[in-house]
Amino acid sequence: QKEVEQDPGPLSVPEGAIVSLNCTYSNSAFQYFMWYRQYSRKGPELLMYTYSSGNKEDGRFTAQVDKSSKYISLFIRDSQPSDSATYLCAMSAGVNAGGTSYGKLTFGQGTILTVHP
Amino acid sequence: KAGVTQTPRYLIKTRGQQVTLSCSPISGHRSVSWYQQTPGQGLQFLFEYFSETQRNKGNFPGRFSGRQFSNSRSEMNVSTLELGDSALYLCASSFLTDTQYFGPGTRLTVL
Repeated sequence: QKEVEQDPGPLSVPEGAIVSLNCTYSNSAFQYFMWYRQYSRKGPELLMYTYSSGNKEDGRFTAQVDKSSKYISLFIRDSQPSDSATYLCAMSAGVNAGGTSYGKLTFGQGTILTVHP
Repeated sequence: KAGVTQTPRYLIKTRGQQVTLSCSPISGHRSVSWYQQTPGQGLQFLFEYFSETQRNKGNFPGRFSGRQFSNSRSEMNVSTLELGDSALYLCASSFLTDTQYFGPGTRLTVL
């Protein structure tokens, strides 16, 4: 079983829809949670960064972390065709967890999202 | 600030050859992590360097190695290439190691 599970989709929605992307994880040491967006033939771009449980909002994007359920979500409001990309969740135990956590993010498989006009 | 840069962007090699990839981090970032991305396995952690020292290593064979220079630039090397090494190789830099910024990647094709 993978440490981080993410539904690969693909997910296709009409422009203006609310998109919900989710990941579950098994490692209770994870403290830092990120969402990246990756366009075709590009490197991942950091969208949201959250420490521990709670919500964080940035424009049309909202990230939620529920550590008790080991479940994280990314919501995209008023989705646009330019949001079409692969969305990756990533997690880290943080440097305070010790040597095996240094510089290591553990990623989900990525969800392919298409927003059609 | 300029972002993370990686060279070359594309590379074609044959089995048995070796390859060296380069990464220049964001100015002021001292941590560089490397990842391999394939359609089947997704993004997998290779290793991380900080102040010229490898602090962490993923579960890859010894054919994969790296180093970091005093200016924080990093290189990774893959010796005795195999077909399965074909992938997008990504480096990421960080000031605090939990927030990583990725470069565009080097797409390696092994024939």
